[in-house]
Amino acid sequence: SQTIHQWPATLVQPVGSPLSLECTVEGTSNPNLYWYRQAAGRGLQLLFYSVGIGQISSEVPQNLSASRPQDRQFILSSKKLLLSDSGFYLCAWSSGQGGQPQHFGDGTRLSIL
Amino acid sequence: AQSVTQLGSHVSVSEGALVLLRCNYSSSVPPYLFWYVQYPNQGLQLLLKYTSAATLVKGINGFEAEFKKSETSFHLTKPSAHMSDAAEYFCAVSYSGGSNYKLTFGKGTLLTVNP
Repeated sequence: SQTIHQWPATLVQPVGSPLSLECTVEGTSNPNLYWYRQAAGRGLQLLFYSVGIGQISSEVPQNLSASRPQDRQFILSSKKLLLSDSGFYLCAWSSGQGGQPQHFGDGTRLSIL
Repeated sequence: AQSVTQLGSHVSVSEGALVLLRCNYSSSVPPYLFWYVQYPNQGLQLLLKYTSAATLVKGINGFEAEFKKSETSFHLTKPSAHMSDAAEYFCAVSYSGGSNYKLTFGKGTLLTVNP
């Protein structure tokens, strides 16, 4: 069966520090991968998605970037965090086939001080 | 463009009462529809999905949803609420187009279950 792992579960970082969140998927190949941010009371915001290694699409211009160095690895990064980067970050995967759902990791709670 | 509207950001029911969470979608092509549940500090878990087969879809934890094309709705129901159903629920839509199958999510409905 397929599983998705995200780490760390919680992270407290000072303003201006770098960020690296990692997501890996097991049990499937060539998945579509997604990064979302969930701010309090604001629903889910799609940040990036990827349909293959090295292929990244950005949905919202911001202080963050994403990379996909391997087929089942998706990394969310920032060179300098802002207070507004606080939130709950979720990684998800899907098979990319029509009608198939996205499957989510357990999320990372990021607090910027 | 596709969109999802969840009516009621907060729904409160008594334990044992009917749960009804409303979702209306807008899509210019036949949609795929999903309901997810999110417990505090956890990711989203798929409850059920509609992919153009039966219009009444049964999911996990006793939930079901009915696709009504004429009303562009996909409301989520459960006959008898349980305390463990307290969570946030998200409706989402996608369609068969492109290779990325992005989901458009509603803003969520927080379900409170009172003893």
